[in-house]
Amino acid sequence: GENVEQHPSTLSVQEGDSAVIKCTYSDSASNYFPWYKQELGKGPQLIIDIRSNVGEKKDQRIAVTLNKTAKHFSLHITETQPEDSAVYFCAAEPSRVKAAGNKLTFGGGTRVLVKP
Amino acid sequence: EAGVTQFPSHSVIEKGQTVTLRCDPISGHDNLYWYRRVMGKEIKFLLHFVKESKQDESGMPNNRFLAERTGGTYSTLKVQPAELEDSGVYFCASSKTGYTEAFFGQGTRLTVV
Repeated sequence: GENVEQHPSTLSVQEGDSAVIKCTYSDSASNYFPWYKQELGKGPQLIIDIRSNVGEKKDQRIAVTLNKTAKHFSLHITETQPEDSAVYFCAAEPSRVKAAGNKLTFGGGTRVLVKP
Repeated sequence: EAGVTQFPSHSVIEKGQTVTLRCDPISGHDNLYWYRRVMGKEIKFLLHFVKESKQDESGMPNNRFLAERTGGTYSTLKVQPAELEDSGVYFCASSKTGYTEAFFGQGTRLTVV
């Protein structure tokens, strides 16, 4: 089955600096890669996603890059703010074999702390 | 529109007892998933419902776990009897058919003592 590794497990940055989280996956058939942000006391919330036919996607201060050949993808947060402090999870979805949805394989999470 | 709702938010039970977790998905979402995060590790898939049918239950750890989805609406996850290693945060998520984005509930933190 799919295996997703995520690094680092913790990341401390100064407000205004950039943060980068990296993930690798094992199943070359995976074709959907979402990133979730989990704030204290809340459930994971999708912040950005990328499909295997795209190399990069950007949404304001957040960007994700995907290298299918190397089987890794990364989350980049620029101009970090204190409200970016949270746990971030990467995930991979295996190729869709059924039309009715599918399951995600998650990385271990990265606790990001943005220091004012 | 209400999001995915889970009850209770916290539960502390003794080893050997029974606990039932409930998930109310977003209205109209046929897909419902249960996930679990144990000891600060990765979030792991447990099972997937499409309406009232179990589509994939390959992540269920053992037969002490029983999931149901009555009438294709809310879902329950029962642990009987609970063991210490069942402690963790149980998440429910739902999505529309044909859409990939899954919306997560706030989770139920289960502590077995």
